[in-house]
Amino acid sequence: QVQLVQSGAEVKKPGASVKVSCKASGYSFTGHAIHWARQAPGQRFEWLGWINPGNGNTKYSQKFQGRVTITRDTSASIVYMELSSLRSEDTAVYFCARERVGSGYQPMDVWANGTTVTVSS
Amino acid sequence: DIQMTQSPSTLSASVGDRVTITCRASQSISSWLAWYQQKPGKAPNLLIYKASSLESGVPSRFSGSGSGTEFTLTISSLQPDDFATYHCQHYKSYSGYTFGQGTKLEIK
Repeated sequence: QVQLVQSGAEVKKPGASVKVSCKASGYSFTGHAIHWARQAPGQRFEWLGWINPGNGNTKYSQKFQGRVTITRDTSASIVYMELSSLRSEDTAVYFCARERVGSGYQPMDVWANGTTVTVSS
Repeated sequence: DIQMTQSPSTLSASVGDRVTITCRASQSISSWLAWYQQKPGKAPNLLIYKASSLESGVPSRFSGSGSGTEFTLTISSLQPDDFATYHCQHYKSYSGYTFGQGTKLEIK
């Protein structure tokens, strides 16, 4: 079945970087964009960016431009999200999600279970 | 940036009730709107895309409507499994994806 599985919880100090992985299975890895979003406690979801696993093209939210990098390993069907210069406000659950395929713009139709990232000194 | 505002923030209802949640965009987004259901500690589940299209496998008691700046999600007859938080999302490649603040649907 279609599945996205993320790496485990992380605890980081302010100023450090975190790299979260998202392994896809059950579908053609290069056929769907992968997005990253986060949900801080009591806050709305924030979109960080997406990658086209087929060609590696990326698009980042202006808010995170310069701090977030999304890459992929097509041989392993894994997408990575790295966030640098961490601060306490980056404490959140980070999700990867597959973009639906269809005509026109598409939302996310399959989500992983999320990775908790805690930033604390 | 386009802002998405949901109302109400919390909604109390009973099994069998018909409920409606509203999502407003700060400017026209055509029909590029999705609705998700999220249960505590879980990932969101896509219910509706393109404002009114029902995602495969989603019960027909869920429906969406609207275009431009005002959208609604309606659950025609609440079931016990429907008590959750609902999020609207504007989606459009290369201009970003923004979410509403969520509506928590509680048992009355």
